[in-house]
Amino acid sequence: LAKTTQPISMDSYEGQEVNITCSHNNIATNDYITWYQQFPSQGPRFIIQGYKTKVTNEVASLFIPADRKSSTLSLPRVSLSDTAVYYCLVGDPGSNYQLIWGAGTKLIIKP
Amino acid sequence: NAGVTQTPKFRVLKTGQSMTLLCAQDMNHEYMYWYRQDPGMGLRLIHYSVGEGTTAKGEVPDGYNVSRLKKQNFLLGLESAAPSQTSVYFCASSPSGRIYGYTFGSGTRLTVV
Repeated sequence: LAKTTQPISMDSYEGQEVNITCSHNNIATNDYITWYQQFPSQGPRFIIQGYKTKVTNEVASLFIPADRKSSTLSLPRVSLSDTAVYYCLVGDPGSNYQLIWGAGTKLIIKP
Repeated sequence: NAGVTQTPKFRVLKTGQSMTLLCAQDMNHEYMYWYRQDPGMGLRLIHYSVGEGTTAKGEVPDGYNVSRLKKQNFLLGLESAAPSQTSVYFCASSPSGRIYGYTFGSGTRLTVV
């Protein structure tokens, strides 16, 4: 199973764009990159998923370079409510197997 | 639409006691999972089920048992609680094994004294 590496924590300010980078050097050819968000005392919530290049939805953008050994979650114009832990996961979306959840990145947004 | 509901939300057990955590989902999902999360750490898979009547071990299954008698329910049992099982337990469900489709419950905070 591929392992991911993320910064333990990040700080930013309201209104700024935040980029969280995840390293996944051993990603398999058919693996996708998926990001989840977790608020205190809640279960994780799906944010975005991608395979290559760029994916955008109403919440975030995901940038994946050609070698796919890393990916960057971009949160535009963050607010205080974006304070949460963000997890990067890699895996085959078509198979049911154990995902490896790292400690994630604790993002703190300041006013 | 309730999604995934976990009961109870909080529980304190004495060492050696037993208990069952209930997870119920109303989305007709085939797959269900039980995770534990310790402070400052990611989730670790305890057991999972790919359909009614089936269960399988995850990363940390020791000390836990599960049952999936009905498609909508996934029960996690602790036969003899130990302080090392103090954790927050999350249940999740998904329509398939696809990792983008997980819906999590709000968790059960268990303390074993």
